[in-house]
Amino acid sequence: EIVMTQSPATLSVSPGDRATLSCRASQSVSSNLAWYQQKPGQAPRLLIYGASTLATGIPARFSGSGSGTEFTLTISSLQSADFAVYYCQQYNNRPLTFGGGTKVEIK
Amino acid sequence: QAQLVQSGAEVKMPGASVKVSCKASGYTFTHYGISWVRQAPGQGLEWMGWISVYNTYTNNAHKYQGRVTMTADISTTTVYMELTSLRSDDTAYYYCARDAIVGTTGFSWFDPWGQGTLVTVSS
Repeated sequence: EIVMTQSPATLSVSPGDRATLSCRASQSVSSNLAWYQQKPGQAPRLLIYGASTLATGIPARFSGSGSGTEFTLTISSLQSADFAVYYCQQYNNRPLTFGGGTKVEIK
Repeated sequence: QAQLVQSGAEVKMPGASVKVSCKASGYTFTHYGISWVRQAPGQGLEWMGWISVYNTYTNNAHKYQGRVTMTADISTTTVYMELTSLRSDDTAYYYCARDAIVGTTGFSWFDPWGQGTLVTVSS
């Protein structure tokens, strides 16, 4: 099973600042990585797939990069709607696995 | 647009079974597989398994083999997930989530997701 490790567990950021979230895979997943945003009481929402392709309707302040085992989600200028938990997911191998999440909170 | 609507919350006794439904609309039902993902309260996401709606082939995470059954009813465009021998640590939100692209064999990201079904296991 591929273990996905996200860091940090919690990120305290001021509105308007840049946020950088990391996701590491225990073995290569190529570019088969997605990012999701989850707010309390809601289902996850797709942000990025293929490591760097923005999903439909997602603001351009979100971007993804990386391949192999190291991936990054960047939010260029945090808005109030962006404070949430973010998960990465690999779909290169079964079982499909998620990272433990990074909570982005208001500083 | 594509939408998944799940059945309502359930409360079950330990040892019982639960069957959660996921009704699809807004797309060609047989073209996309469906995964089930669960999330214990305050915890992360865990993939449980996947069903090909086209041919009902399933692939389950090893942890759930023997306890989970996924089925699909083409006539009602509904997918079901049944979990047996429930324990207290099965208390969680259960989500169905559609493969984002057509015709995969389960290697996909997910979009859209159902709204989630809370299953509470308690005596």
